[in-house]
Amino acid sequence: DAGVTQSPTHLIKTRGQQVTLRCSPKSGHDTVSWYQQALGQGPQFIFQYYEEEERQRGNFPDRFSGHQFPNYSSELNVNALLLGDSALYLCASSSPRTGTNEKLFFGSGTQLSVL
Amino acid sequence: RKEVEQDPGPFNVPEGATVAFNCTYSNSASQSFFWYRQDCRKEPKLLMSVYSSGNEDGRFTAQLNRASQYISLLIRDSKLSDSATYLCVVNLNNAGNMLTFGGGTRLMVKP
Repeated sequence: DAGVTQSPTHLIKTRGQQVTLRCSPKSGHDTVSWYQQALGQGPQFIFQYYEEEERQRGNFPDRFSGHQFPNYSSELNVNALLLGDSALYLCASSSPRTGTNEKLFFGSGTQLSVL
Repeated sequence: RKEVEQDPGPFNVPEGATVAFNCTYSNSASQSFFWYRQDCRKEPKLLMSVYSSGNEDGRFTAQLNRASQYISLLIRDSKLSDSATYLCVVNLNNAGNMLTFGGGTRLMVKP
């Protein structure tokens, strides 16, 4: 049973560039949430996708966008990268249908460095 | 004031010690509470849910105080392997599963 998988594991970009991060949820899960974790801080909620739609969004600018595909996998896109976007980006999956709606399973994350 | 607030620590304790962490949350209407554990450079993993009546899982005990809006985690007989960051997590608005994380409390258990 594959857990949550994210790619790539590490990424280096320069200011102004755009980046796409990918996530495949745990088998049987249909909801994907994205979090940003800066060094020494807790994860901050970016947004959540369910049924291919953005259902909830945290306090992040429009430069952060996403997508969910019919197979439940998801992408996080960040445009016009800033130095402050350097962080660990975590994807978490869950499923309201299996009673794990609030129990998140995290991938190992993508470490993004913006130079 | 942060929505979910924790003492960042670090808490340095010897093996076998008992240690407790507290976490305060801002929304009195919150219904769901959790503790996650995060090892260095790894992803967070669910440690335990926190129920109104309090709950225990082996050496770990979680409690909720709604009147004062805080939850606690007690670890008895600390092991070296308990060294990690403990994240307090709250569903602040009970909307779906938009969970809000505290900044984490770092625990270091020493021989």
